[in-house]
Amino acid sequence: NAGVMQNPRHLVRRRGQEARLRCSPMKGHSHVYWYRQLPEEGLKFMVYLQKENIIDESGMPKERFSAEFPKEGPSILRIQQVVRGDSAAYFCASSPGKVDYENYGYTFGSGTRLTVV
Amino acid sequence: KNEVEQSPQNLTAQEGEFITINCSYSVGISALHWLQQHPGGGIVSLFMLSSGKKKHGRLIATINIQEKHSSLHITASHPRDSAVYICAVRQIGSSNTGKLIFGQGTTLQVKP
Repeated sequence: NAGVMQNPRHLVRRRGQEARLRCSPMKGHSHVYWYRQLPEEGLKFMVYLQKENIIDESGMPKERFSAEFPKEGPSILRIQQVVRGDSAAYFCASSPGKVDYENYGYTFGSGTRLTVV
Repeated sequence: KNEVEQSPQNLTAQEGEFITINCSYSVGISALHWLQQHPGGGIVSLFMLSSGKKKHGRLIATINIQEKHSSLHITASHPRDSAVYICAVRQIGSSNTGKLIFGQGTTLQVKP
């Protein structure tokens, strides 16, 4: 079981380009969460998805950001027309359909570090 | 005021010392997580607890739901324990979303 896989690990984009971040959840996990960690700041929730559904996107910026979790394939966080302020570490986590409080309900990926130049 | 507050923000210890990191929160929660993040690294989930105490190796996590407080203890600390330790809570009413609210983190440095 490879755990939560995020790619790429590092991504450099010029201002105005698009960034696509991928997250493959752990086997058997059907819930995916995206979090952003801005430099010198704590982690902040962005969006929660299940297969083919966005459940909660209350943490997503209103413009340029979108997320999907298709029936097949990884979850994608897409940032259009990137700006310098988008530079951050983006983490994905996954959990089983029902969180088991006796075990770890969450597994995090290694993150994608986005740098906008 | 943040919903999740950690103290101290920074902590330096000598190898072998007993370390305590505290987390206080102001919302009703269904679970609390302790996470570890090494510089430039990913996030590792250390504990998830909703009551009482859990132990894993040299790490112990406790939670007092009535006082809305949790502590992470590291016994016989080692330089490899140097990392950022993050407290995160799952708010009651978020059971349908599962999203976490994070503290700012405690940066621990253990010197040999």
